[in-house]
Amino acid sequence: AQTVTQSQPEMSVQEAETVTLSCTYDTSESNYYLFWYKQPPSRQMILVIRQEAYKQQNATENRFSVNFQKAAKSFSLKISDSQLGDTAMYFCAFIHMDTGRRALTFGSGTRLQVQP
Amino acid sequence: DAGITQSPRHKVTETGTPVTLRCHQTENHRYMYWYRQDPGHGLRLIHYSYGVKDTDKGEVSDGYSVSRSKTEDFLLTLESATSSQTSVYFCAIMRTGGPDGELFFGEGSRLTVL
Repeated sequence: AQTVTQSQPEMSVQEAETVTLSCTYDTSESNYYLFWYKQPPSRQMILVIRQEAYKQQNATENRFSVNFQKAAKSFSLKISDSQLGDTAMYFCAFIHMDTGRRALTFGSGTRLQVQP
Repeated sequence: DAGITQSPRHKVTETGTPVTLRCHQTENHRYMYWYRQDPGHGLRLIHYSYGVKDTDKGEVSDGYSVSRSKTEDFLLTLESATSSQTSVYFCAIMRTGGPDGELFFGEGSRLTVL
């Protein structure tokens, strides 16, 4: 069974600073995707960034980037120039793509507070 | 907007009563999911569907059943609600032809079992 571990329940960062959220996962498969989702107080789930396991290049989306270490099964999220609107729960997630039955497995989340 | 509607959005019920949550999509995608969200646990998969009448259990399926008699609707039923099923329930879809693996979520349904 695959698992996703987020070891930081809560983090805090000053506005305009950089913060890194950690995620590790466990799988024996080779074809999978990894995601970071953001959940602001509105409760809406918003995709932040995705990474295909077969790609060596780390994904980036504006101020958001990942450090994907496949051998170490690590997938951290870096938020640069943090903004107040980044305050949210962040979930790391994982999905196998080799079967017809597909579902995301989520970590327990990291609550990020951006301080003014 | 992924065209996902959950109903009801809020419900308070009593222990032992049946409850059905509905997820409706407007785009006829194959994969639909029910997750529950609880503090400290993130989102956990209850059941999912990969086609009409095709469903499978997730990691926390005990006490829940699902049905999908048509593509656009995925129903989650608690046959006899318990206080441990107090949670926020999210429906999600995986868009056919969309980015692989990415899920789009409904707005969530908050269920309180007294």
